[in-house]
Amino acid sequence: AQSVTQLGSHVSVSEGALVLLRCNYSSSVPPYLFWYVQYPNQGLQLLLKYTTGATLVKGINGFEAEFKKSETSFHLTKPSAHMSDAAEYFCAVNSGNTPLVFGKGTRLSVIA
Amino acid sequence: DAGITQSPRHKVTETGTPVTLRCHQTENHRYMYWYRQDPGHGLRLIHYSYGVKDTDKGEVSDGYSVSRSKTEDFLLTLESATSSQTSVYFCAISERNSGGVETQYFGPGTRLLVL
Repeated sequence: AQSVTQLGSHVSVSEGALVLLRCNYSSSVPPYLFWYVQYPNQGLQLLLKYTTGATLVKGINGFEAEFKKSETSFHLTKPSAHMSDAAEYFCAVNSGNTPLVFGKGTRLSVIA
Repeated sequence: DAGITQSPRHKVTETGTPVTLRCHQTENHRYMYWYRQDPGHGLRLIHYSYGVKDTDKGEVSDGYSVSRSKTEDFLLTLESATSSQTSVYFCAISERNSGGVETQYFGPGTRLLVL
């Protein structure tokens, strides 16, 4: 079975500061990993995904994530937070023929 | 935009009444999903479909049924709504590339309040 753990249900950063949202996964087969963002009262939007190949994945809005197999991690980063980044972020895992398994989400607040 | 719409977008109903939520897609995707989102639980899979009349249960399927009689529509029914089914419901479709990698895209959600 696959699972995802997002460390920290709420992260608060200052505008311009580094954003780091943590995701660890468990999978017995090579995983496909995803980050989604949800703005208030909206559906989930795909930020980025890792399937195979390059372990550093760039997504939309300046976000990127690095797949580290040895650490079973897929942390999401952005060098400089913007007020518009305030949202909830979800990490998810599957292995191709299985439904996505989501973490419980991390709410990001950006302080001016 | 994956062409996914959900209806209704908001609904208030009473305990014990049946409720049906509709998900409609315009791009002929084979796989469709229903999730519920609750604070502290993230998204949990209710049911999914891998084709017309082909459906399977997810993590939290008790109290829910689904039907898919056409590729474009995936219906979620609460046979007898309970207050524990108050939630935000999301539909998703998935695209698979030539390598078999599946990416899900989500609808705007339906807010359901069961009184």
